[in-house]
Amino acid sequence: GQNIDQPTEMTATEGAIVQINCTYQTSGFNGLFWYQQHAGEAPTFLSYNVLDGLEEKGRFSSFLSRSKGYSYLLLKELQMKDSASYLCAAMDSNYQLIWGAGTKLIIKP
Amino acid sequence: GAVVSQHPSWVICKSGTSVKIECRSLDFQATTMFWYRQFPKQSLMLMATSNEGSKATYEQGVEKDKFLINHASLTLSTLTVTSAHPEDSSFYICSARQGEVQSLHFGNGTRLTVT
Repeated sequence: GQNIDQPTEMTATEGAIVQINCTYQTSGFNGLFWYQQHAGEAPTFLSYNVLDGLEEKGRFSSFLSRSKGYSYLLLKELQMKDSASYLCAAMDSNYQLIWGAGTKLIIKP
Repeated sequence: GAVVSQHPSWVICKSGTSVKIECRSLDFQATTMFWYRQFPKQSLMLMATSNEGSKATYEQGVEKDKFLINHASLTLSTLTVTSAHPEDSSFYICSARQGEVQSLHFGNGTRLTVT
């Protein structure tokens, strides 16, 4: 079956770095997405990886290892506004997104 | 950037009535639109996938006669919750995609409360 695993909740300190891991199993693979979702709002796109390696975009970076079925989202210089849920989603061979349950990130001062 | 407009943002209706939610891609043509439902503190649950001009594909467990989806054009899809019940109260989110391997662009969601 198809499956996405990511931690339910993480806590980090303002100004620090946090890494949110995601492992996936899909029928075929067409890329890995990360979305940010604040409470009561719709998700917003953060990143897309289809090749192995690290993609850096400002304070956020995303990494993919296709052979390991593994990705992580790295958030640097954490700010209070980064408190949100982070959703990992893998696209299968039919171009359908398989969603993880999301990781709730709590930032403490 | 690509913008998806979803309307209304919130709606309160009485049990037994129907509610229509619109999803529009404002500056691109959406080959595919998706409808999701999200209950509090849970992840997105895909309800159905709709392609312009064809019938929607519903996920297992989603009643197609209750959740009517119409994708009349490349920029508009509607979800109608028929004979709404309190258990249908949820956050409904649409998203649109321009091509196959493209990021989804989400609407702002509709919070439905059925009393």
